[in-house]
Amino acid sequence: EVQLVESGGGLVQPGGSLRLSCAASGFMFSSFEMNWVRQAPGKGLEWVSYISGSGSSTSYADSVKGRFTISRDNAKNSLYLQMNSLRAEDTAIYYCARELRAGAAADSFGYWGQGTLVTVSS
Amino acid sequence: EIVLTQSPATLSLSPGERATLSCRASQSVSTYLAWYQQKPGQAPRLLIYDASNRATGIPARFSGSGSGTDFTLTISSLEPEDFAVYYCQQRSNWPPITFGQGTRLEIK
Repeated sequence: EVQLVESGGGLVQPGGSLRLSCAASGFMFSSFEMNWVRQAPGKGLEWVSYISGSGSSTSYADSVKGRFTISRDNAKNSLYLQMNSLRAEDTAIYYCARELRAGAAADSFGYWGQGTLVTVSS
Repeated sequence: EIVLTQSPATLSLSPGERATLSCRASQSVSTYLAWYQQKPGQAPRLLIYDASNRATGIPARFSGSGSGTDFTLTISSLEPEDFAVYYCQQRSNWPPITFGQGTRLEIK
């Protein structure tokens, strides 16, 4: 069974940093591209970042480019999101999401974690 | 950036009725379009991928259609558990991957 479990959320002051983790199990982690998607309170879904299976290719939404860094450790079956220079508008539930099919181009998000809440406030 | 516009914003129907949700893209996304369902306090769940393929475990009452810029999610006969928010998402021309703003399906 595919499982994705996020952790690392919490309350942080504006300008601060936080590192989110996503522990994966039930599949060959290194074979799948991964993403972070966020949802501000009462709002819709916003894609944040992408990473290839090997970790060699990454991509970011303009709203987080230069502040957030996605990475993965395939030996530990883990995905990360390092968030720096946090702003109030970064307050959201952050979900990790796995591609539906290994190696598929432009694939959908077939599996999601339960999310971790990040609150940026003084 | 490809903008996805969902309509209506809110749809009020009764159990047993047919629901038709629309997603329009600002430029062609071919069939690289997915639909997700989200219930309060839960993560989104993939319903339809590649515009018309049901994900594993999704009931047959859910169907997707369309290509290019116009897409439809149809729920043939609403069950009580189908009342939720529905999002479309494209990954044809990215970054960025984009989502529609959502359609809230509520009980009439």
